Amino acid sequence: QKEVEQNSGPLSVPEGAIASLNCTYSDRGSQSFFWYRQYSGKSPELIMFIYSNGDKEDGRFTAQLNKASQYVSLLIRDSQPSDSATYLCAVKKNTGFQKLVFGTGTRLLVSP
Amino acid sequence: SQTIHQWPATLVQPVGSPLSLECTVEGTSNPNLYWYRQAAGRGLQLLFYSVGIGQISSEVPQNLSASRPQDRQFILSSKKLLLSDSGFYLCAWTAGTGNRGLRQPQQFGDGTRLSIL
Repeated sequence: QKEVEQNSGPLSVPEGAIASLNCTYSDRGSQSFFWYRQYSGKSPELIMFIYSNGDKEDGRFTAQLNKASQYVSLLIRDSQPSDSATYLCAVKKNTGFQKLVFGTGTRLLVSP
Repeated sequence: SQTIHQWPATLVQPVGSPLSLECTVEGTSNPNLYWYRQAAGRGLQLLFYSVGIGQISSEVPQNLSASRPQDRQFILSSKKLLLSDSGFYLCAWTAGTGNRGLRQPQQFGDGTRLSIL
């Protein structure tokens, strides 16, 4: 079982719709959760992070964390074609070096 | 503000040639530094990390090595490149340790796209 799992997609949504990206993790010791966006050929850029159960909103983005279910998600409201990218979920544990473990990413396609 | 610089942006090298990629961070001290590789269509693979000058930890056995000669400088090297070394190499940094470090995201440089011929 991978430490961080994401559906590779592509997830296709029309412009203006809500895109829902999901991520599960295997280690219950995981403490911090991050979402990165990566455009093709570019480096990952941080979108949001969340530490506590519940929702965290930032503009059109909402991160949701459920530690009991070991599940973290990212909602993108009013999706735009410019949101088309690969979204990487990353998890950090409070062990050793606090390594960040990445999922393989979900490719999102927003059609005009 | 903190910035991370990585160069070169692209590199084409023949098999068997040496490699040196450099990464520097500005605006902070004693950062934690990382090298990742991303093969085409694949996820990020952590190669090396460093918590201080001269302190390097390797995640996977491979044809590469890393060094940290200065606090904010991180270098990825190889003596002889293999075809399998092709990929997108990313340097990243984060600040802090302990509980504060636990909540620090990693920030990435722009990456180096390495092609081995």
